[in-house]
Amino acid sequence: AQTVTQSQPEMSVQEAETVTLSCTYDTSESNYYLFWYKQPPSRQMILVIRQEAYKQQNATENRFSVNFQKAAKSFSLKISDSQLGDTAMYFCAFMKGHSGAGSYQLTFGKGTKLSVIP
Amino acid sequence: GAVVSQHPSRVICKSGTSVKIECRSLDFQATTMFWYRQFPKQSLMLMATSNEGSKATYEQGVEKDKFLINHASLTLSTLTVTSAHPEDSSFYICSASSGTEAFFGQGTRLTVV
Repeated sequence: AQTVTQSQPEMSVQEAETVTLSCTYDTSESNYYLFWYKQPPSRQMILVIRQEAYKQQNATENRFSVNFQKAAKSFSLKISDSQLGDTAMYFCAFMKGHSGAGSYQLTFGKGTKLSVIP
Repeated sequence: GAVVSQHPSRVICKSGTSVKIECRSLDFQATTMFWYRQFPKQSLMLMATSNEGSKATYEQGVEKDKFLINHASLTLSTLTVTSAHPEDSSFYICSASSGTEAFFGQGTRLTVV
C-alpha cells in the first residue's frame, strides 16, 4: 500500500513571497504519478501540477514548480510570487501507473492549509 | 482540464429518506469514477471505485447497501445514500478518470435532519 505524508498542517506566506510545501511518500511501485491538488474555500479540487515518476525533469506550471527527489521519495511544491488567490488547502497525491483500461485511485496526504497574507 | 459536473451542490433531506447524487464527465469518457467523503478540515476519504458496467468496489468500512453506486455509462455515475441518518451528513466528492488523470466534481454538501 502507498502512503503520502504532508508534515505541515498549516503554513503562511506574505504576498509576493515564495513558499515550499513538503510531501513524502512511500511505495514499492516503480511506475507512478504524483500530483498536487488545491482546494480553495469553494472546496472544488483543482489540479495544480503533475509529475511522472519516470521523468527526471521537475514539472513546472507558471508560478508552481516541484522538487521531485525519487530516491528520497520526496515531492515538494514551490509557489513563487504568492498571490491571495493561492490561499487554499493543498493536497499531495499518489497514483500507481497502469496498463489497460481503468484507473488507479489517488492516495492523498492529509493536506497543508496555506494562507497568503496581504 | 476536463469538466466533471456534480449535482446537487447542496441537499437537505429528512432522516430515513434516500438521496441521489449525480456525477457526469462532460467532455470525456471516464473509464473509472471514484466517490470520496470529506469531513471538515480533513483529507478526502475514498469510499468506492466504479468502472463502467461493473459493480463498484467499496473500501473497508463503507456499507455498500447504504451507499449505492451505479456507473451505467462512461459519462455518468450516481451515489445514492439510502435511509440517510444525521451521521451521513458530510461533503461528498466524485472524481472521473481516464488513464492517469483525475478530475473532480464540485462536491455535494449533504445535510440530514
